[in-house]
Amino acid sequence: GESVGLHLPTLSVQEGDNSIINCAYSNSASDYFIWYKQESGKGPQFIIDIRSNMDKRQGQRVTVLLNKTVKHLSLQIAATQPGDSAVYFCAENIYGAGKLIFGQGTTLQVKP
Amino acid sequence: SQTIHQWPATLVQPVGSPLSLECTVEGTSNPNLYWYRQAAGRGLQLLFYSVGIGQISSEVPQNLSASRPQDRQFILSSKKLLLSDSGFYLCAWGAPNPNEKLFFGSGTQLSVL
Repeated sequence: GESVGLHLPTLSVQEGDNSIINCAYSNSASDYFIWYKQESGKGPQFIIDIRSNMDKRQGQRVTVLLNKTVKHLSLQIAATQPGDSAVYFCAENIYGAGKLIFGQGTTLQVKP
Repeated sequence: SQTIHQWPATLVQPVGSPLSLECTVEGTSNPNLYWYRQAAGRGLQLLFYSVGIGQISSEVPQNLSASRPQDRQFILSSKKLLLSDSGFYLCAWGAPNPNEKLFFGSGTQLSVL
């Protein structure tokens, strides 16, 4: 079946450094992508999204890049802070499906 | 503003007992509603979604069922819980347009013993 996967299960970065979390998706019909942040014991929190007609979108300290040619999505976090420590999920929406498919998640650990 | 309420936060149930988890949404009409389950250290698995009252789509065969008796109420149930039903259950809502983000509740940690 179709799936969204992440390249690395855990990413450890130094406070103040930039973080890059990667995601691969397999369905070429996916037209909408979202990054979520999940802290322990809580529900996922929306970070940023991007539609397939874009290749880059910026938010506050975060940037999402979409490469449809290789079906790759990344989340860049600038000046990573201890509060950024969490599990990050990418999710894809397949056109017309009306539901999100989530990847397995990457744990981001920020070292002080 | 829209809010989503999910309860209880934690639940410990014996094997074979029934289950009822409730989720309600405020501040929006005709939302799409979803139940996800998350195993420890894993991603989110879609269990059910609903685009309207009484309309339920099941994603995976399982020991659970869902109902939507009102526009903004979504219920996850089981007649007899199994050990494998343990997990973190998340309710979410989204706008009727399918290409929109989902907003998640705070989750219910279910332990079946």
